[in-house]
Amino acid sequence: RKEVEQDPGPFNVPEGATVAFNCTYSNSASQSFFWYRQDCRKEPKLLMSVYSSGNEDGRFTAQLNRASQYISLLIRDSKLSDSATYLCVVGAGRFGAGTRLTVKP
Amino acid sequence: EADIYQTPRYLVIGTGKKITLECSQTMGHDKMYWYQQDPGMELHLIHYSYGVNSTEKGDLSSESTVSRIRTEHFPLTLESARPSHTSQYLCASSTRGQSKGETQYFGPGTRLLVL
Repeated sequence: RKEVEQDPGPFNVPEGATVAFNCTYSNSASQSFFWYRQDCRKEPKLLMSVYSSGNEDGRFTAQLNRASQYISLLIRDSKLSDSATYLCVVGAGRFGAGTRLTVKP
Repeated sequence: EADIYQTPRYLVIGTGKKITLECSQTMGHDKMYWYQQDPGMELHLIHYSYGVNSTEKGDLSSESTVSRIRTEHFPLTLESARPSHTSQYLCASSTRGQSKGETQYFGPGTRLLVL
């Protein structure tokens, strides 16, 4: 079993939709959690850290469930520019395989 | 914007050549990482370093080697390139901060093609 698992998608949604991604992890001692965004042929860039109490940044909401060992990312009011691959990261260097999102007009 | 640089950005080279991919960061980060990523595929950690004179192998077996003589510099070397080494190589660095944990900042990557 991989340390970090994500649904690879692809998720194809219309503009304005709400979409959620989940990511499960196996190491219960993990202390830091992140969501990164990677555009095609580009390097990953930090989208947001995930805090224990959950956190929000504009249209993006991240949550952590330690008991079930998963993190989630919710995107509200999807924009065309949200189309990308979303990577969850647990600890340092433990990346999920990514979930591909395509937002269509 | 992250201050982490990789050179060259693109490299086409013949089989058997020795190559060194450069990675430098000016943020004073103690931790640095090398990842390998094929197009549309996941990132694989191949090497990491927690500081000067510290290097470790990652999850993916790699024929490359790394060194960390200076904090800001983490080069990756392939002694004898093969077509199977064709991929994108991404360098990253991080430091432990109270607010951002182990946030990693990535360089733009080196796309390697071995003929």
